[in-house]
Amino acid sequence: AQSVTQPDIHITVSEGASLELRCNYSYGATPYLFWYVQSPGQGLQLLLKYFSGDTLVQGIKGFEAEFKRSQSSFNLRKPSVHWSDAAEYFCAVGDSGYALNFGKGTSLLVTP
Amino acid sequence: EAGVTQSPTHLIKTRGQQATLRCSPISGHTSVYWYQQALGLGLQFLLWYDEGEERNRGNFPPRFSGRQFPNYSSELNVNALELEDSALYLCASSLAGQAKPLGEQYFGPGTRLTVT
Repeated sequence: AQSVTQPDIHITVSEGASLELRCNYSYGATPYLFWYVQSPGQGLQLLLKYFSGDTLVQGIKGFEAEFKRSQSSFNLRKPSVHWSDAAEYFCAVGDSGYALNFGKGTSLLVTP
Repeated sequence: EAGVTQSPTHLIKTRGQQATLRCSPISGHTSVYWYQQALGLGLQFLLWYDEGEERNRGNFPPRFSGRQFPNYSSELNVNALELEDSALYLCASSLAGQAKPLGEQYFGPGTRLTVT
């Protein structure tokens, strides 16, 4: 069965610093991969997705992610973090049943 | 373009009662998904409806059920509520379906269900 692991439960980054959130997946075939962001009390907003093709995908709000099949990873990056980026970030893999399997999430804190 | 809407925003029920949650998908989307986000358990897939039919369900008991109406809106029913059903219930819609490749899912703001 497919699964997603986000090794970091909490991450603290200074405003203006770079960010990398880790995501590892377990899936037999080519995965459909997603990153979502959830602000407190809100639903999930799609940041970016990978279905096929170029392994470096660009998303909204200046985020990007790189699919590395050899490492079974899909890490999310941002070169310069803003205070408004503080939120919960979820990596997800889509399965053949069309459901999304989510990681446990990484809570991002941005300090001044 | 309006996003996914859910009602009510908050719902408080007593153990043993029934809860009904509603979801309206983005216009043109035929698939609706339900997820439960419970504290400590993360986001878990509940149900998927497409073209009025239940296509897939997650590892939840039968007291979690729902339906999709001809206008593609959806209802989630939770019978015989238990304290551990307290959670944020998220609805998502997508263009994806049985005959289409998996597409991204767009989420609503959720319904916060509290069981006392």
